[in-house]
Amino acid sequence: QKEVEQNSGPLSVPEGAIASLNCTYSDRGSQSFFWYRQYSGKSPELIMFIYSNGDKEDGRFTAQLNKASQYVSLLIRDSQPSDSATYLCASGGSGSARQLTFGSGTQLTVLP
Amino acid sequence: DAGVIQSPRHEVTEMGQEVTLRCKPISGHNSLFWYRQTMMRGLELLIYFNNNVPIDDSGMPEDRFSAKMPNASFSTLKIQPSEPRDSAVYFCASNGGTDTQYFGPGTRLTVL
Repeated sequence: QKEVEQNSGPLSVPEGAIASLNCTYSDRGSQSFFWYRQYSGKSPELIMFIYSNGDKEDGRFTAQLNKASQYVSLLIRDSQPSDSATYLCASGGSGSARQLTFGSGTQLTVLP
Repeated sequence: DAGVIQSPRHEVTEMGQEVTLRCKPISGHNSLFWYRQTMMRGLELLIYFNNNVPIDDSGMPEDRFSAKMPNASFSTLKIQPSEPRDSAVYFCASNGGTDTQYFGPGTRLTVL
């Protein structure tokens, strides 16, 4: 069974610090990886996706992928209180399947 | 684009009643996904369609749940009869050509 594991947290960081969110996945056939942000009472919103090993940067966000270790991470630099949310990691692209497998999410709180 | 549209946004019903949730995917997207989210179980995939055809319904919890996609721009998720344990937020998501899924605002269902 395909699984995506995340530390449920909660994770608290002070404003301006780097928040590091981690995720591991079980399906070696996964080709695509996603980070979604979900504010309380709202729907998941795509932040980043990554397909290749290494780092991918977008503004204050950096996604890191290590397929050998089956590990994905999201770094948020200069964390802001508005970053406080639950972050969902997801894997997909295994074979012909189109569905994503989601982790349970990590709750992040950025303290002013 | 209007994004994924779901209705109703909130539904309160009594046990035993039929509930129908509706979704309009993003125009041009050919895959549609129904999810259920609860605090206890997180985000669960119920069923997904590709080109209006149900591909994987292994996540549908029981025969009380059914889903249809009569055309490319409309899908329904029906629960009959509803039970209190069906109370959750139900999300619809769509994608087209890539694995990236875009979520609708969700329907918060409360079964009394």
